[in-house]
Amino acid sequence: TQLLEQSPQFLSIQEGENLTVYCNSSSVFSSLQWYRQEPGEGPVLLVTVVTGGEVKKLKRLTFQFGDARKDSSLHITAAQPGDTGLYLCAALDNYGQNFVFGPGTRLSVLP
Amino acid sequence: GAVVSQHPSRVICKSGTSVKIECRSLDFQATTMFWYRQFPKQSLMLMATSNEGSKATYEQGVEKDKFLINHASLTLSTLTVTSAHPEDSSFYICSAGTGPYEQYFGPGTRLTVT
Repeated sequence: TQLLEQSPQFLSIQEGENLTVYCNSSSVFSSLQWYRQEPGEGPVLLVTVVTGGEVKKLKRLTFQFGDARKDSSLHITAAQPGDTGLYLCAALDNYGQNFVFGPGTRLSVLP
Repeated sequence: GAVVSQHPSRVICKSGTSVKIECRSLDFQATTMFWYRQFPKQSLMLMATSNEGSKATYEQGVEKDKFLINHASLTLSTLTVTSAHPEDSSFYICSAGTGPYEQYFGPGTRLTVT
């Protein structure tokens, strides 16, 4: 079973601060996705990264896929209360069959 | 685009009864749909992969006779929780794939079994 680990598990910061959350695995993945989930709702896809070393930006969010395609990071600049939520990474293995989720990072941005 | 709906959004049922949850892809055809459950403050756990016109593939530890999945068309998959018990209370989420790399999730169904 391929496992994804995320850190930190919980993060509480003040509005305007920067933060980085991480997604790591000992396995190589063909692609990796980041989702944000709010309470009582389904996850919303933020980005998909497929190339080792790839960097994608989505407004104040910067996503990076590790060169070896085993890890990824999500950096948020000038966090806002609207960024509060559960951030999940998920990955499809190289066989294209197993789709697994990390345990998530629960982010709280205080005004 | 890529909108997935679920119905109902919330359901309360009595122990021993069965509950059906629908998952629809509204603006695209999904040959594959996925069913997850999520317990409070936990991540999503894949229950089964549903392929249109064929039997669902269940993850280890998921009882196929208890969680019946039907994928009758390219836009609809249903999950029926049979003889529900309080421990089946959870947040059930479906997703539909548009390709090998991306899934789009429904809003989830909160099931409470009393």
